[in-house]
Amino acid sequence: AAGVIQSPRHLIKEKRETATLKCYPIPRHDTVYWYQQGPGQDPQFLISFYEKMQSDKGSIPDRFSAQQFSDYHSELNMSSLELGDSALYFCASSPSRGAAGQYFGPGTRLTVT
Amino acid sequence: AQSVTQLGSHVSVSEGALVLLRCNYSSSVPPYLFWYVQYPNQGLQLLLKYTSAATLVKGINGFEAEFKKSETSFHLTKPSAHMSDAAEYFCAVSAPQNTGFQKLVFGTGTRLLVSP
Repeated sequence: AAGVIQSPRHLIKEKRETATLKCYPIPRHDTVYWYQQGPGQDPQFLISFYEKMQSDKGSIPDRFSAQQFSDYHSELNMSSLELGDSALYFCASSPSRGAAGQYFGPGTRLTVT
Repeated sequence: AQSVTQLGSHVSVSEGALVLLRCNYSSSVPPYLFWYVQYPNQGLQLLLKYTSAATLVKGINGFEAEFKKSETSFHLTKPSAHMSDAAEYFCAVSAPQNTGFQKLVFGTGTRLLVSP
């Protein structure tokens, strides 16, 4: 079965640079979520989109922005990167607002040096 | 607001022994509850979910969990541990969809260690 695709899988950036993470949801899933997982921590919700509109917002820094496109893929844009942004970034998708559970991609490991 | 508490950051069992990972939730509305498993350097895999149907939920890899409203618990069990079960397990809660909230709130995770 098709799964959530994230790219790139690994990304190394320097402080103050920008990064763009991409997420391709499972076909026919209309809701996309972004989570950040720091080392040894639980995933923290950043932002979600339903039918290309932002549906909920968590602890996402103002330096980050995201959007969902007409083909339902989503991009997380991160600017002025800081050392503390180093983390695993997960995208998850679900059908119909998440009642059936969210299905996670393999994650993008971002390292800021 | 919803939250979950996982008791025990590490649980050690012998291969073949019962696995019990504890999760208690707090929710102002009837919750949806989930267990996810994360292997090293991998994403989170959905093990099972409770969405207000049967209180005993069976998942993949022989795991099951029972929703107990009176105890606000959703503990994860498996009768016989296998070496391949060694991983990090996360309990999560989300608000039912008619409230508009969709995000998952995770517990701090429990690392399951399985010894031969």
